Amino acid sequence: SSELTQDPAVSVALGQTVRITCQGDSLRSYYASWYQQKPGQAPVLVIYNKNNRPSGIPDRFSGSSSGDTASLTITGAQAEDEADYYCHSRDSSGKHNYVFGTGTKVTVL
Amino acid sequence: QVQLQESGPGLVKPSQTLSLTCTVSGASISRGGYYWSWIRQHPGKGLEWIGNIYYSGSTYYNPSLKSRVTMSVDTSNNQFSLKLSSATAADTAVYYCARLAYDSSVYYFDYWGQGTLVTVSS
Repeated sequence: SSELTQDPAVSVALGQTVRITCQGDSLRSYYASWYQQKPGQAPVLVIYNKNNRPSGIPDRFSGSSSGDTASLTITGAQAEDEADYYCHSRDSSGKHNYVFGTGTKVTVL
Repeated sequence: QVQLQESGPGLVKPSQTLSLTCTVSGASISRGGYYWSWIRQHPGKGLEWIGNIYYSGSTYYNPSLKSRVTMSVDTSNNQFSLKLSSATAADTAVYYCARLAYDSSVYYFDYWGQGTLVTVSS
């Protein structure tokens, strides 16, 4: 099955920009979706279909994709953006399997 | 607004079957167009997809859990369920139910339940 690899942790100064990447073979076939998870809470969808935001998600969140790598960018990070972020896609094996990324802890300084 | 709510025992004895139900409101499972999923998260760890079920009853399971997982759907009560047999301490996790939306080459979990902690212990 496919794997999606993310950097374990990144930090960003308040108001600055941070990019989180997700790498895996399945991303050549399927777009990644991205989820934000704060401690003790369920994940929340923040980006899907490469760069679509669900209602209520601030426009400082954006997504992009190239080859086997997807990226989530937070432009003008806020304190409330401190969380774990996971990418996700369907497995490229041709079967209905789904895989999550290893997760990135974002710290806002 | 679509809402999902997990329910079931918070404590399961080793070797027994872990059973959870997800009740959906604000959307009809039988309408189709979405898969209904179970995802778990071990304490302090990442997310692990367990499986999907369609309203018709078609199921897709994580290969690593396939031998122990059974999912079912009850359209009359707008619920779907998870059974994980032969539970061990390694199955201790927060279990989430979620709705999986899809369109061509994109799949995404757009609604999640709040999650329920299941502990496997004697």
